[in-house]
Amino acid sequence: DQQVKQNSPSLSVQEGRISILNCDYTNSMFDYFLWYKKYPAEGPTFLISISSIKDKNEDGRFTVFLNKSAKHLSLHIVPSQPGDSAVYFCAASGLYSNTGKLIFGQGTTLQVKP
Amino acid sequence: DTEVTQTPKHLVMGMTNKKSLKCEQHMGHRAMYWYKQKAKKPPELMFVYSYEKLSINESVPSRFSPECPNSSLLNLHLHALQPEDSALYLCASSRRNEQFFGPGTRLTVL
Repeated sequence: DQQVKQNSPSLSVQEGRISILNCDYTNSMFDYFLWYKKYPAEGPTFLISISSIKDKNEDGRFTVFLNKSAKHLSLHIVPSQPGDSAVYFCAASGLYSNTGKLIFGQGTTLQVKP
Repeated sequence: DTEVTQTPKHLVMGMTNKKSLKCEQHMGHRAMYWYKQKAKKPPELMFVYSYEKLSINESVPSRFSPECPNSSLLNLHLHALQPEDSALYLCASSRRNEQFFGPGTRLTVL
């Protein structure tokens, strides 16, 4: 049973346009969400996170939106750059679960075309 | 500084070999993790250490043996691995729920 789902395996956008990556979750106990970016043969890089008490968090070109009622979050990248081409994973956890366990989605491969 | 370092970067071993993977962080994080990642899949949690004690073992086969000598170091001892254990092994450390990953060790078991 996949508790965190990224239903789009891949996404292609033009340089300078907006990239929107989506993630759905099923467990209402999740209260902290993260996005990671991964290049081939490298470890995931932490991008941005959001607590369930917020509905938006912004860091430079990256904004994460959380819709708790829909159990949906999205990552917006504006403007998209060719260097953003990578696999993006969303992850969820219980902030006070004390286990530190992250549940990852399956990933979305983003290609930004020059 | 959000750096987690891992050595070696690449490792090739036979099924009868014993080898170790090493991970180090100097961010003062008290939780450290081992993950396994296969191509085009998300990281798969193996072990969690919290305050130098093993807190989670995700039913990992005993041919993988973790060790946390101190709060900055994490080892993964490997013995009698199988070819299907070939993967990218990632170490991470965390401040609350934000985990920071190392670059990984690419392991090939022949």
